[in-house]
Amino acid sequence: AQSVAQPEDQVNVAEGNPLTVKCTYSVSGNPYLFWYVQYPNRGLQFLLKYITGDNLVKGSYGFEAEFNKSQTSFHLKKPSALVSDSALYFCAVRDTRGGSYIPTFGRGTSLIVHP
Amino acid sequence: ETGVTQSPTHLIKTRGQQVTLRCSSQSGHNTVSWYQQALGQGPQFIFQYYREEENGRGNFPPRFSGLQFPNYSSELNVNALELDDSALYLCASSDSLAGGQETQYFGPGTRLLVL
Repeated sequence: AQSVAQPEDQVNVAEGNPLTVKCTYSVSGNPYLFWYVQYPNRGLQFLLKYITGDNLVKGSYGFEAEFNKSQTSFHLKKPSALVSDSALYFCAVRDTRGGSYIPTFGRGTSLIVHP
Repeated sequence: ETGVTQSPTHLIKTRGQQVTLRCSSQSGHNTVSWYQQALGQGPQFIFQYYREEENGRGNFPPRFSGLQFPNYSSELNVNALELDDSALYLCASSDSLAGGQETQYFGPGTRLLVL
């Protein structure tokens, strides 16, 4: 069975500092990995995904994520945080083995960027 | 903003009632997925429709059912509502079944409260 863990319920960072939101996963085959952001009372917005190829994936709004197969991680990063980045962030995985491609989402990490 | 719309935005029902939620997918998208997001949790996959056929189902009972119409809009029906069905229901559309690689675009959700 596939699973996703976001070990931090909340991440606090000062504006201008780098940020990292952690995600680890477990799958039987190879993973497809996704990051989404959710603002209050809104749906999820796609940020980036890893399918194959370069382990460093660049996405929307200056975010990037690094796929690390040995550590089964896909941490979300941004070099310089903005107050407007404050939101709920979700990591999701799909297992390529089995053929169903049903996605599993993590519980989410609340990012708070302080002015 | 994505082109995915959902109605209604909010809904209050009582236990045992039935509810229908609606989703209009982004133009050109032929695949719709439904998710349940309980408070403080990540989205949980309910089912997916591709060209009017169910194409995958998560761990939800049969009282959760759906439809996809020829214009690719979709409905989620829930019978015999229970208190635990209170959640944000999200619809997501994509332009294909790309073996799990496709990006999903989410609507703003319908918040259902069951009393």
